[in-house]
Amino acid sequence: QKEVEQNSGPLSVPEGAIASLNCTYSDRGSQSFFWYRQYSGKSPELIMSIYSNGDKEDGRFTAQLNKASQYVSLLIRDSQPSDSATYLCAVKGYGGATNKLIFGTGTLLAVQP
Amino acid sequence: GAVVSQHPSRVICKSGTSVKIECRSLDFQATTMFWYRQFPKQSLMLMATSNEGSKATYEQGVEKDKFLINHASLTLSTLTVTSAHPEDSSFYICSAPRVVAGNEQFFGPGTRLTVL
Repeated sequence: QKEVEQNSGPLSVPEGAIASLNCTYSDRGSQSFFWYRQYSGKSPELIMSIYSNGDKEDGRFTAQLNKASQYVSLLIRDSQPSDSATYLCAVKGYGGATNKLIFGTGTLLAVQP
Repeated sequence: GAVVSQHPSRVICKSGTSVKIECRSLDFQATTMFWYRQFPKQSLMLMATSNEGSKATYEQGVEKDKFLINHASLTLSTLTVTSAHPEDSSFYICSAPRVVAGNEQFFGPGTRLTVL
């Protein structure tokens, strides 16, 4: 079983719609969760971090965390063509000597104008 | 957000040569940095964790003698690909966690290595 799982997509949504990206993780002790956006040929860019159950909103982005279900999601409201990218879910475990992140394989989002 | 730089952004070299890539945290100190490799249309693969003042920790399957890591200061880590071969051609990305930002990791812009 993969540690962090994402649907590879592509997820296609029309411009202005809500894009919903999902991620599940296997380590129940995970404490920190991150969403990164990666444009083709570029390095990942941090969009959101979430540490507690519930929703966290930042502009058009909302991260949702449910630790009981080991599920984290990212909602993008009013999707724009410029949002078209691969979205990476990353999870950091509890404790340990490092801040190593475990990444999912990413979901490719395509926003159609 | 925090800034992490990498140099060079792109390098082309002949097979058998060594290539050094630098990763710098520009506005914060990082006792730990991470090195990733990404092949086309694949996800990030963590290669190693760079630790300031001590040896790097390599992930399973990564040859430590081929990918030399030196974390000489709190703002600089280097990755040297020794005796590079065409199969080493990839996108190499470093990242650094920033403690005051909840240990959120910030990525450098990446280095695209092409070995002829």
